[in-house]
Amino acid sequence: GQQVMQIPQYQHVQEGEDFTTYCNSSTTLSNIQWYKQRPGGHPVFLIQLVKSGEVKKQKRLTFQFGEAKKNSSLHITATQTTDVGTYFCAGPPSTGSGGSNYKLTFGKGTLLTVNP
Amino acid sequence: NAGVTQTPKFRILKIGQSMTLQCAQDMNHNYMYWYRQDPGMGLKLIYYSVGAGITDKGEVPNGYNVSRSTTEDFPLRLELAAPSQTSVYFCASSKGTIQYFGAGTRLSVL
Repeated sequence: GQQVMQIPQYQHVQEGEDFTTYCNSSTTLSNIQWYKQRPGGHPVFLIQLVKSGEVKKQKRLTFQFGEAKKNSSLHITATQTTDVGTYFCAGPPSTGSGGSNYKLTFGKGTLLTVNP
Repeated sequence: NAGVTQTPKFRILKIGQSMTLQCAQDMNHNYMYWYRQDPGMGLKLIYYSVGAGITDKGEVPNGYNVSRSTTEDFPLRLELAAPSQTSVYFCASSKGTIQYFGAGTRLSVL
């Protein structure tokens, strides 16, 4: 079945440093989504990328979707303590591969901690 | 809008007991999902539903049952609780692929 891998599993940074997490799928994705889960909270949708090579920005966050639609990255510039949490990528398999596009496979997430 | 509401927030069960985790959404979403989250293990899909009366197994369905009699509600039933079912359970709903999560139920089986 489809597998989604994320690295690193943990990342500790000093406030103001940059942070990047990478996501790789074993199969082509129809889209990639990113969610953030604050400690003790629930996953909250951040963004969805659909097109091959797509790049989207949300303030200090930059999201990329790979040309082959099998990998993605999230980059945070100048981290703040409010960025603390676990970042998950998730995606449905490409419908061309026979998968359904409403079931998501989640990566295990990257836990970001920020030292003020 | 309340979104996705889960009850209870916390529960402690004894081994062998049964319980139902409630999930309700008011967004008229067709798709609903149950996940469990263990530390460092991400989200694993237990069961999902594409509409009232239609449910299907996810990645880790053993020990659980679901029903979907209405669009709004998607309860998860644990029969004969085991320590391995100690986890945080999240319910989610979606209209397309973007999922909206409830606040979760923290369950301990002792």
